Amino acid sequence: NAGVTQTPKFRVLKTGQSMTLLCAQDMNHEYMYWYRQDPGMGLRLIHYSVGEGTTAKGEVPDGYNVSRLKKQNFLLGLESAAPSQTSVYFCASSPFQQGPQPQHFGDGTRLSIL
Amino acid sequence: EDKVVQSPLSLVVHEGDTVTLNCSYEVTNFRSLLWYKQEKKAPTFLFMLTSSGIEKKSGRLSSILDKKELFSILNITATQTGDSAIYLCAVKDDKIIFGKGTRLHILP
Repeated sequence: NAGVTQTPKFRVLKTGQSMTLLCAQDMNHEYMYWYRQDPGMGLRLIHYSVGEGTTAKGEVPDGYNVSRLKKQNFLLGLESAAPSQTSVYFCASSPFQQGPQPQHFGDGTRLSIL
Repeated sequence: EDKVVQSPLSLVVHEGDTVTLNCSYEVTNFRSLLWYKQEKKAPTFLFMLTSSGIEKKSGRLSSILDKKELFSILNITATQTGDSAIYLCAVKDDKIIFGKGTRLHILP
């Protein structure tokens, strides 16, 4: 059981390039999240999804787009990468059950924008 | 504005000491408070707290929530070098909001 898998693990981009980060979960979770983590800043929510075909903005959505075409996948896109988007990106998922549930995290994607 | 504040931001203690990490919060529609431990990669789940005054315990770690005063503490007794990590507190309302974390370093 893989849990939450993020690809790629590392990537270096030039300013203005585009790329897509993939998050896949095999736990049949309804909720999925994308965070970025910067030194001294904790985890900040970029976008999230409460189900297939739905997405919503988090705390820092500007410069990112997301799609949830399949329940198991949540894609994070950077249309025109900027140095300020250099960060470690974490994907997480959680089930929809009565009452709150903890999140399961992927191992992260380290992204550097030159 | 919803926020989660952790203190201290960093802490260095000797092996065997007991530490207390703090998390205070202000959110509109509180549902739960979660503690995570982050070493080199992904945060790993420690505790989820929803009710005041009920201690959750796992080995040397324990946590409690005070919904009246809007805070939680995470205690680690008889610390070991393997406890060195960033400890994250998160509060769930309609979304999940994380604090900046406490970086804990245990000296041998």
